[in-house]
Amino acid sequence: GQQVMQIPQYQHVQEGEDFTTYCNSSTTLSNIQWYKQRPGGHPVFLIQLVKSGEVKKQKRLTFQFGEAKKNSSLHITATQTTDVGTYFCAGRGRGGADGLTFGKGTHLIIQP
Amino acid sequence: SQTIHQWPATLVQPVGSPLSLECTVEGTSNPNLYWYRQAAGRGLQLLFYSVGIGQISSEVPQNLSASRPQDRQFILSSKKLLLSDSGFYLCAWSRGDNYNEQFFGPGTRLTVL
Repeated sequence: GQQVMQIPQYQHVQEGEDFTTYCNSSTTLSNIQWYKQRPGGHPVFLIQLVKSGEVKKQKRLTFQFGEAKKNSSLHITATQTTDVGTYFCAGRGRGGADGLTFGKGTHLIIQP
Repeated sequence: SQTIHQWPATLVQPVGSPLSLECTVEGTSNPNLYWYRQAAGRGLQLLFYSVGIGQISSEVPQNLSASRPQDRQFILSSKKLLLSDSGFYLCAWSRGDNYNEQFFGPGTRLTVL
């Protein structure tokens, strides 16, 4: 079955430093989504990428979808304490009304 | 606007007891519905999804089951809980095509003792 791997599992950064999490799928994806889960909360949708090589930005967050549609990354510039949480990528395989396959997430810990 | 409800918020159950978690969605019709489990500090594991009333697809064989008796109601059940069933259970919905984001409920934190 489809597998989505995400690295690193944990990332400690000083406030103001940049942060990147990477996502790799064992199969080609029709689209990939990114979610953020604050401690004690539920995942909240951030963005969806559909096109090969697509790049989208949301303020300090930059999302990329690989040319082969098998990998993706999320980069945060100049982290702030509000960025703390777990970032999940979630891939959808081709065809079918199936659910998303989530990566295990990257826990971002920010030291002030 | 759409909202998704889950209850209870927390639950402590003995091993071998039954389970029923309920999820309802308001403000939309014919949603896709999903049950996920998140073990402590871990990722999200898809348990079941449904594209319509009475239509359930199981992703992981286990002692859990799901039912969708109404369009916007999704129930997760077990006849006998195991210790390994402890976790954070999340219900989610999405619009009925493959390219929309999922909206998660607040979750139920289940502890099996």
